[in-house]
Amino acid sequence: KAGVTQTPRYLIKTRGQQVTLSCSPISGHRSVSWYQQTPGQGLQFLFEYFSETQRNKGNFPGRFSGRQFSNSRSEMNVSTLELGDSALYLCASSVGGNSYNEQFFGPGTRLTVL
Amino acid sequence: DQQVKQNSPSLSVQEGRISILNCDYTNSMFDYFLWYKKYPAEGPTFLISISSIKDKNEDGRFTVFLNKSAKHLSLHIVPSQPGDSAVYFCAAGGDYKLSFGAGTTVTVRA
Repeated sequence: KAGVTQTPRYLIKTRGQQVTLSCSPISGHRSVSWYQQTPGQGLQFLFEYFSETQRNKGNFPGRFSGRQFSNSRSEMNVSTLELGDSALYLCASSVGGNSYNEQFFGPGTRLTVL
Repeated sequence: DQQVKQNSPSLSVQEGRISILNCDYTNSMFDYFLWYKKYPAEGPTFLISISSIKDKNEDGRFTVFLNKSAKHLSLHIVPSQPGDSAVYFCAAGGDYKLSFGAGTTVTVRA
């Protein structure tokens, strides 16, 4: 079974631009979660989607948004990029239903904002 | 608001000895706890989990202990192997999300 895939793997943008990251979950998984990882901060939860509905959202500004499509693929968008948005963005999928399910992570998208 | 804390950023252990990683949490509503391992340039991979109704779960060389009254959990790796060198994240689950600690970098010395 193919794992979680994220595209692109690397991205360089400048301040003020916007970016869209994509995540394809494992086949049959209906829940997709997004995390931001920065040095020393661990993984900060961004949001979680299940069957196209956002069930929970982390403490991030409104510039961070996401969506999920009917095939469970998900995208996250960051508008008006700031230098502090430079991070590794990880997507994780799980069967869904509740937060107890083991989450399978993709390799991440490394975003650099100049 | 860091609800899950790993107070030791790094741990060095000799091959064959025990590695003990610690994690504290503040939210008593968490009811499921997990440990993930991460190598550079890869996403985290699931290691072991424990439900809040248990106090111990074992899987091969990995054992997780949960002390609900102290809001503390630990991961024991016995014996430690060179391939265990990685960053370990503790996570707590509730309300359709996982809250992660900042991670502990484990280095296993030959």
